Amino acid sequence: EVQLVESGGGLVQPGGSLRLSCSASGFSFGSYTMHWVRQAPGKGPEFVSAIDNNADNTFYADSVRGRFSISRDNSENTLYLQMSSLRPEDTAVYYCVKMWYAIRSLDYWGQGTLVTVSS
Amino acid sequence: IVMTQTPLSSPVTLGQPASISCRSSQSLVHSDGNTYLSWFQQRPGQPPRPLIYKISNRFSGVPDRFSGSGAGTDFTLKISRVEAEDVGVYYCMQGTQYPPMYTFGQGTKLEIK
Repeated sequence: EVQLVESGGGLVQPGGSLRLSCSASGFSFGSYTMHWVRQAPGKGPEFVSAIDNNADNTFYADSVRGRFSISRDNSENTLYLQMSSLRPEDTAVYYCVKMWYAIRSLDYWGQGTLVTVSS
Repeated sequence: IVMTQTPLSSPVTLGQPASISCRSSQSLVHSDGNTYLSWFQQRPGQPPRPLIYKISNRFSGVPDRFSGSGAGTDFTLKISRVEAEDVGVYYCMQGTQYPPMYTFGQGTKLEIK
């Protein structure tokens, strides 16, 4: 059974930093592109960042480029998102998501971790 | 690519059909000939659940009362007979532009009359 378990969310002040982690199991983690997708309260999901299977390529939404950094450790089956210079508009539930690249869709989602940016 | 869904809210009677429309601001036909349009269901307090990929293909475990259709820029999700467990918000998503990114519609809330 595929499982994606996020951790690291919490309350942080504007300008602060936070590191999210996602522990993966039940599939060959090192073979798949992995993503972070966020969802602000009452809004639809939004692409944040992606990393290909061997970390050769990374992608970012314009809204987070230069502030967020995605990485992975295939030996530990773990995905990371380092977030800095956080803004109130970054407040959202952050999901770790597996992509099925051949169909360009997102086939497994974690339960999410809430990040709240507020003073 | 901007994805626009209609209606934003859809009250339906149990056992009756429901239909949700999704329109993209440009064609979703990829240079490889595929159209990467997906649908997701999100129940309250849960992450999105994948329903449909490449316009009309159901993910494993999705009931056959869910169906997808469309082409180019206009797509539809249909539920043949709505059940109580279908309540939630439905999102379309285009993956044609990935990499580097994909976009979701704003969501359609399905509720029971």
